[in-house]
Amino acid sequence: KAGVTQTPRYLIKTRGQQVTLSCSPISGHRSVSWYQQTPGQGLQFLFEYFSETQRNKGNFPGRFSGRQFSNSRSEMNVSTLELGDSALYLCASTLRGDRGDEQYFGPGTRLTVT
Amino acid sequence: AQSVSQHNHHVILSEAASLELGCNYSYGGTVNLFWYVQYPGQHLQLLLKYFSGDPLVKGIKGFEAEFIKSKFSFNLRKPSVQWSDTAEYFCASRSSGGYQKVTFGTGTKLQVIP
Repeated sequence: KAGVTQTPRYLIKTRGQQVTLSCSPISGHRSVSWYQQTPGQGLQFLFEYFSETQRNKGNFPGRFSGRQFSNSRSEMNVSTLELGDSALYLCASTLRGDRGDEQYFGPGTRLTVT
Repeated sequence: AQSVSQHNHHVILSEAASLELGCNYSYGGTVNLFWYVQYPGQHLQLLLKYFSGDPLVKGIKGFEAEFIKSKFSFNLRKPSVQWSDTAEYFCASRSSGGYQKVTFGTGTKLQVIP
């Protein structure tokens, strides 16, 4: 079974621009979560989608948004980029089990804002 | 809000030394607990998980963790580390039930010296 795929893997943008990142979960997984990983803050939860609905949201400004499509693929968008948005953005695909949920992470998209 | 604390930010060990990485979580209800590992240049991988039952959980590559409810702890252990264990380790918690976000600790960088 293929793992979680994220595109693009690397991205360089300038301040003020907007960016869209894509994530394809493991086949059969219907839940997708997004995280921002930075050296100082570790992994910060952005949002989770299940069946095209946002189920949970972290403490990020409204510039960060996301969506999920009927095939479970998800995109996140960051508008009006700031230097502080430079980070590794991780997508996780969730296997929902009777006892609990397990997350499987993709390789991430490295975003650099200049 | 939930929080996860990892007390050791950077640990240096010699090969064959024993490892114990501390993790404390804040949520007082029923939680699912996880340890993830991120090898240099690779994506996050699940090492082990605790949902319920036996508090001593065994994971991949000889790692184990013990859930101690009274101490809100889920420490990671390995009796004898190898150079290939050099990586960053993240503890995470998720309150069980519904769509609950996963909260990560800030990570512990482990460096194993040959």
